[in-house]
Amino acid sequence: EPEVTQTPSHQVTQMGQEVILRCVPISNHLYFYWYRQILGQKVEFLVSFYNNEISEKSEIFDDQFSVERPDGSNFTLKIRSTKLEDSAMYFCASSVEGAGYTFGSGTRLTVV
Amino acid sequence: GESVGLHLPTLSVQEGDNSIINCAYSNSASDYFIWYKQESGKGPQFIIDIRSNMDKRQGQRVTVLLNKTVKHLSLQIAATQPGDSAVYFCAVNNQGGKLIFGQGTELSVKP
Repeated sequence: EPEVTQTPSHQVTQMGQEVILRCVPISNHLYFYWYRQILGQKVEFLVSFYNNEISEKSEIFDDQFSVERPDGSNFTLKIRSTKLEDSAMYFCASSVEGAGYTFGSGTRLTVV
Repeated sequence: GESVGLHLPTLSVQEGDNSIINCAYSNSASDYFIWYKQESGKGPQFIIDIRSNMDKRQGQRVTVLLNKTVKHLSLQIAATQPGDSAVYFCAVNNQGGKLIFGQGTELSVKP
């Protein structure tokens, strides 16, 4: 069964550093997403991406965050100048239009 | 906008019993609904989905019921097994794009 792959599974970074979280969406999916889940809380939408541009973003997704599809297979989330409160699980997801939402296993980001 | 809520944060059932997890949503324009299972340290795993033109859909041991009149969604798990222990989230979609998740119900299955 097709999978969304995320790397790394766990990232520890010092406050103020930049991190890049990587994802390989399902190959025939055209819509890509990043979600965040703070420990013990619900999954929150960050951003959606289609046709090489952001289609929607949440209030959380401010100038500290950026996304990129650098080639035909990878989809990345960059977090600049990380803060303690950025510590969370970050999930990548992909879909066809309006269906088939599939999530990766997540990257656990710990900011120290 | 959309808000999604769950009725119970935790649910404990005996192995073999049926489980029912409920979810309420606010936007009557929502047209696609998904139930996800999340085990500790893992990503949300698709269980079953339903579109707004249906009120019931069945899978293997799972049934999703949609009541658009009261904007309520439920997940029924038949003959619950220890492997069903996890956090269950409903997620709602408005005509494409992002999913809005509920808070999650932690299901515990007692052997």
